[in-house]
Amino acid sequence: AQKVTQAQTEISVVEKEDVTLDCVYETRDTTYYLFWYKQPPSGELVFLIRRNSFDEQNEISGRYSWNFQKSTSSFNFTITASQVVDSAVYFCALSGTLTTDSWGKLQFGAGTQVVVTP
Amino acid sequence: EPEVTQTPSHQVTQMGQEVILRCVPISNHLYFYWYRQILGQKVEFLVSFYNNEISEKSEIFDDQFSVERPDGSNFTLKIRSTKLEDSAMYFCASSVGFEQYFGPGTRLTVT
Repeated sequence: AQKVTQAQTEISVVEKEDVTLDCVYETRDTTYYLFWYKQPPSGELVFLIRRNSFDEQNEISGRYSWNFQKSTSSFNFTITASQVVDSAVYFCALSGTLTTDSWGKLQFGAGTQVVVTP
Repeated sequence: EPEVTQTPSHQVTQMGQEVILRCVPISNHLYFYWYRQILGQKVEFLVSFYNNEISEKSEIFDDQFSVERPDGSNFTLKIRSTKLEDSAMYFCASSVGFEQYFGPGTRLTVT
């Protein structure tokens, strides 16, 4: 069984502050993918990033960065210098790879509401 | 940039009626999915579809639900006899690899 836990329900920051979103996952798969999606107030789900379980290198993409730690089953996401347009619900998600039963079935966390005020 | 489209954006129906939600996936994508999100809750997987058949389905996807790819572009979700608890946002997604791209959703309201 797969499970994704986002313990933070809401984070409020002032513009230009950094925001770090926590994600902890459980899976029996030995290989898997982790994702972050953004859901702005308009409701659509926007793909942000994907990380493979076999690559623990952390990366930065613009104002987004992520910290994948397999040893603690965590996949945290940071928005640097937040802007009002970053206000949204952010979902962490997990799926298995092609060789697993859970491939293609995204298991989402409950989401973290980020509120950025000017 | 290609995107997944869904129609209608909002559907209101009476309990017991059949509804069909429509999706046009990104044209070169091979895998198709439906998810739902009850208001204020997390997004839940319903079904995946590949090569004209269901690949996986969740416990939510019971006999009331069906999916179809009636032509080369559309992907539909049918709910035969809607219940109040079917009220939710329904998202279609498609992928060619591992990243699933979501449509804007159809808000289904069952009264």
